Amino acid sequence: DAGVIQSPRHEVTEMGQEVTLRCKPISGHNSLFWYRQTMMRGLELLIYFNNNVPIDDSGMPEDRFSAKMPNASFSTLKIQPSEPRDSAVYFCASSLRRTEAFFGQGTRLTVV
Amino acid sequence: AQRVTQPEKLLSVFKGAPVELKCNYSYSGSPELFWYVQYSRQRLQLLLRHISRESIKGFTADLNKGETSFHLKKPFAQEEDSAMYYCALRLGAQKLVFGQGTRLTINP
Repeated sequence: DAGVIQSPRHEVTEMGQEVTLRCKPISGHNSLFWYRQTMMRGLELLIYFNNNVPIDDSGMPEDRFSAKMPNASFSTLKIQPSEPRDSAVYFCASSLRRTEAFFGQGTRLTVV
Repeated sequence: AQRVTQPEKLLSVFKGAPVELKCNYSYSGSPELFWYVQYSRQRLQLLLRHISRESIKGFTADLNKGETSFHLKKPFAQEEDSAMYYCALRLGAQKLVFGQGTRLTINP
């Protein structure tokens, strides 16, 4: 298994544009997490899914952010419209029950 | 509120010196704690978990429920230990929350 796969690795977009980040979890894992990493706030949990169902989205900053998991092998995090303060590294992670979480390599988002 | 606090954003020590990265947590339930590490240009990965009571790469961490702490320690730092370290707390069955992270730099 290639591990958790995220795309794109880097994204530069203009303020106001829609941004979609993608994640493929490790096959067989039943939990998927989206995190945002910034210098000021570290790793913030945005949302997590269990068996494709969103369980806790209390970390999603505002309505501009949305996440979906249409099946066990794919999830998206969408920002519409994007703003410069959304610039960060976004990580996806997956895990199986109470085992460790495995992280993707992250998407570095820059909104100009 | 349930949270993880890492008071030091930056920590710099000399090679061979002892290292301690601090982590405090706030959780009303039975805590399950982890340390994750992110080396330069690598993915965030699990370093150790309190349940295992193991030593990985010379690092250990003891859960102190009285002080609500899970500090990471190593008696003799090595240059390859330079990395970003995150303390994490599992809430309930799955939810995993992280502290702000500590960037550790080992000086030669």
